[in-house]
Amino acid sequence: DAGITQSPRYKITETGRQVTLMCHQTWSHSYMFWYRQDLGHGLRLIYYSAAADITDKGEVPDGYVVSRSKTENFPLTLESATRSQTSVYFCASTATQGMNTEAFFGQGTRLTVV
Amino acid sequence: QKEVEQNSGPLSVPEGAIASLNCTYSDRVSQSFFWYRQYSGKSPELIMSIYSNGDKEDGRFTAQLNKASQYVSLLIRDSQPSDSATYLCAVNSDTGNQFYFGTGTSLTVIP
Repeated sequence: DAGITQSPRYKITETGRQVTLMCHQTWSHSYMFWYRQDLGHGLRLIYYSAAADITDKGEVPDGYVVSRSKTENFPLTLESATRSQTSVYFCASTATQGMNTEAFFGQGTRLTVV
Repeated sequence: QKEVEQNSGPLSVPEGAIASLNCTYSDRVSQSFFWYRQYSGKSPELIMSIYSNGDKEDGRFTAQLNKASQYVSLLIRDSQPSDSATYLCAVNSDTGNQFYFGTGTSLTVIP
């Protein structure tokens, strides 16, 4: 399917475990992003990537690691999950046409850390 | 820190009324502004974008931008129950590739 897909859609993990959330896009967009969404905080940027092998921190990067070996994939890893990382995670990519840039989102991954 | 502020609501309007959603932003060099709609349990979907001062209309939706006041709004005319959702205001960074989101305004349209 064309677009941006995330997996898994739902995940329950235990405190201290490593967990990886996957994100795949079929558009070949250069920029990709990971956000977390929590009640009262809206969407907060965790990490973003401008291209393969180029990543940078966002607003709330602590406890997360990203990689981008291929343009189409942008996995997010929680190295040692904590309860505070219970959230809904959205992957996004952006497309630029002239001066205009728009963001497109995956379906989200609901992560619960117990 | 680039800030985008929205009234979290909830905002309730009767069916057929006009819903007015407001957003202010702190970064004066922001160039692009967006409204996303998010249904409960779903991902945000783009409904309007606006890049220059003034109004932009698309069906029942009108986005208004005032860069001098750092203010962007969304009007929904003839509101329908299906418009009940959270509306997120987003601002594009000056580099063009980062988006900053408000916390969203919850809208309920009462039949």
